[in-house]
Amino acid sequence: GQSLEQPSEVTAVEGAIVQINCTYQTSGFYGLSWYQQHDGGAPTFLSYNALDGLEETGRFSSFLSRSDSYGYLLLQELQMKDSASYFCAVRPSGNTPLVFGKGTRLSVIA
Amino acid sequence: DTGVSQDPRHKITKRGQNVTFRCDPISEHNRLYWYRQTLGQGPEFLTYFQNEAQLEKSRLLSDRFSAERPKGSFSTLEIQRTEQGDSAMYLCASSLGQGGKTQYFGPGTRLLVL
Repeated sequence: GQSLEQPSEVTAVEGAIVQINCTYQTSGFYGLSWYQQHDGGAPTFLSYNALDGLEETGRFSSFLSRSDSYGYLLLQELQMKDSASYFCAVRPSGNTPLVFGKGTRLSVIA
Repeated sequence: DTGVSQDPRHKITKRGQNVTFRCDPISEHNRLYWYRQTLGQGPEFLTYFQNEAQLEKSRLLSDRFSAERPKGSFSTLEIQRTEQGDSAMYLCASSLGQGGKTQYFGPGTRLLVL
């Protein structure tokens, strides 16, 4: 089976840094993606890691450790508009669809 | 707007009725995916197409569900004899190539079965 674990909720203060963790158990591993979804909106792509290490895109960074089956999304200089749900997703192989976690609801407070 | 579009955005139906949803992917994208999402959950894969060929179907997709992509462009998802458990957001996504890195999602069709 395939399973991804991430915290259900995280609260952080505006301007701070927050890390959202994701551990996975899948039949294979081709890459870890992160998506953001605002209430009532569509998931939008944030970041992707196929190899170990850190990928940085502006205020967002994503990290992967394949040996630990673990990754995280790091959001810096938090803004109120970052309040949303964040999903990690694994592609078990090159030809299989994404398997999503249940999502982490981030609340940014003043 | 050249993003993924879905129609309708909302659908309310009575149990036992049939419903059909449409997805128009980004024009050059050859892969098209259907997902279902319920409150507090991540998107769950239903089926996907590469061009007009349906390559994989999830076990979530019962016999009441059918999807088509007749010309390799838009796709339809039909649910026959709807049940209250079918109430969910139905998301469509498209990608170029294998696309595991980046899938572009549409706004979804929210279905409520009474």
